[in-house]
Amino acid sequence: GAVVSQHPSWVICKSGTSVKIECRSLDFQATTMFWYRQFPKQSLMLMATSNEGSKATYEQGVEKDKFLINHASLTLSTLTVTSAHPEDSSFYICSATTTGVDYGYTFGSGTRLTVV
Amino acid sequence: QKEVEQDPGPLSVPEGAIVSLNCTYSNSAFQYFMWYRQYSRKGPELLMYTYSSGNKEDGRFTAQVDKSSKYISLFIRDSQPSDSATYLCAMREGAQKLVFGQGTRLTINP
Repeated sequence: GAVVSQHPSWVICKSGTSVKIECRSLDFQATTMFWYRQFPKQSLMLMATSNEGSKATYEQGVEKDKFLINHASLTLSTLTVTSAHPEDSSFYICSATTTGVDYGYTFGSGTRLTVV
Repeated sequence: QKEVEQDPGPLSVPEGAIVSLNCTYSNSAFQYFMWYRQYSRKGPELLMYTYSSGNKEDGRFTAQVDKSSKYISLFIRDSQPSDSATYLCAMREGAQKLVFGQGTRLTINP
């Protein structure tokens, strides 16, 4: 089956610093990756969609300059939270899919970010 | 009105009970329907994936889709404490982004 690996699983950073989260597809080529944010006891909120080799498409209200997404290869996408602030503390989850075989969108295990 | 409505619960049932989780939707263009299970502080895990009306069974789980009524269900038979989690329905149109329900928090009591 399709496996998506996400790292780190948790990270604590100081306010003002940047944090990078990686999402890798292990056994398939992820032509499209999605990045979500989830607050406690709430559903997933889509932040952006990225296609390999193209600029990410951000959802309304998501700051492009704050949440930098790179999808430079078919197996790796990264989300960088720049100049993080305490309000950026959240659970971030990636999801990946591919063309051809439809795996129903596989999710990573998530990254809990705490900004202090 | 949200595109996908799901009762957030919480839902608490005794071990061994049959659990029924439901979602309704308003967009008739949705073609693909999924159920995900999410444990606390983990990413969602795909449980069931269907794209046609009718039933699909996998072990103790049965997914049901009724496109005419815009209604999907997930049934869990012989529920176990390890089934305690949040269950999210999700659906999409073609290769578009997923639209999620709010998630139902389920607790199975030993």
